[in-house]
Amino acid sequence: GAVVSQHPSRVICKSGTSVKIECRSLDFQATTMFWYRQFPKQSLMLMATSNEGSKATYEQGVEKDKFLINHASLTLSTLTVTSAHPEDSSFYICSADRYSGNTIYFGEGSWLTVV
Amino acid sequence: QKEVEQDPGPLSVPEGAIVSLNCTYSNSAFQYFMWYRQYSRKGPELLMYTYSSGNKEDGRFTAQVDKSSKYISLFIRDSQPSDSATYLCAMTSRGGGGNKLTFGTGTQLKVEL
Repeated sequence: GAVVSQHPSRVICKSGTSVKIECRSLDFQATTMFWYRQFPKQSLMLMATSNEGSKATYEQGVEKDKFLINHASLTLSTLTVTSAHPEDSSFYICSADRYSGNTIYFGEGSWLTVV
Repeated sequence: QKEVEQDPGPLSVPEGAIVSLNCTYSNSAFQYFMWYRQYSRKGPELLMYTYSSGNKEDGRFTAQVDKSSKYISLFIRDSQPSDSATYLCAMTSRGGGGNKLTFGTGTQLKVEL
């Protein structure tokens, strides 16, 4: 089946620094990838839709200058959390849309802790 | 009112029980329905994907969609402790890819020995 790989699975960074999270579709091309944030015991909150070769579409309330998304190829999207603060600590999950089947697969998620 | 309603649980059942998980929705445009299983501290795993109304079976899992009632269900037969997880329903209105999903809040399931 389709596999979406996310890296790193866990990262700790100092307040004020930036951290990059990668999302790769391993056996299919993904025109569209999605980035979510999930707080403990809550559902997924869509942050942005990442389209290959174009600018990401951000959901209302998500700071585009803080959460930089790049979708440079059909198999890779990256989320960069800039000038991270402790309140950015969360579980970030990507998903990739397998175009032909309209099925959406998720990565394993990345735990970000800002200290 | 949320577009998708799902009882958060927790739902606790004995091993071997039949589990019924449900979601209701308000947007009649939704046509594609998915169920995901999410273990603690992991990304969601796609369990079932259905289009429009009807039933779909895969092993111990059966997904039902009743578009007239705007109601979807996931049944788990012979539940196992390894089924303990949070189950998320999700849906979208368009096919062809690139479409955002609308999620339920997730139901936490615990299958006890």
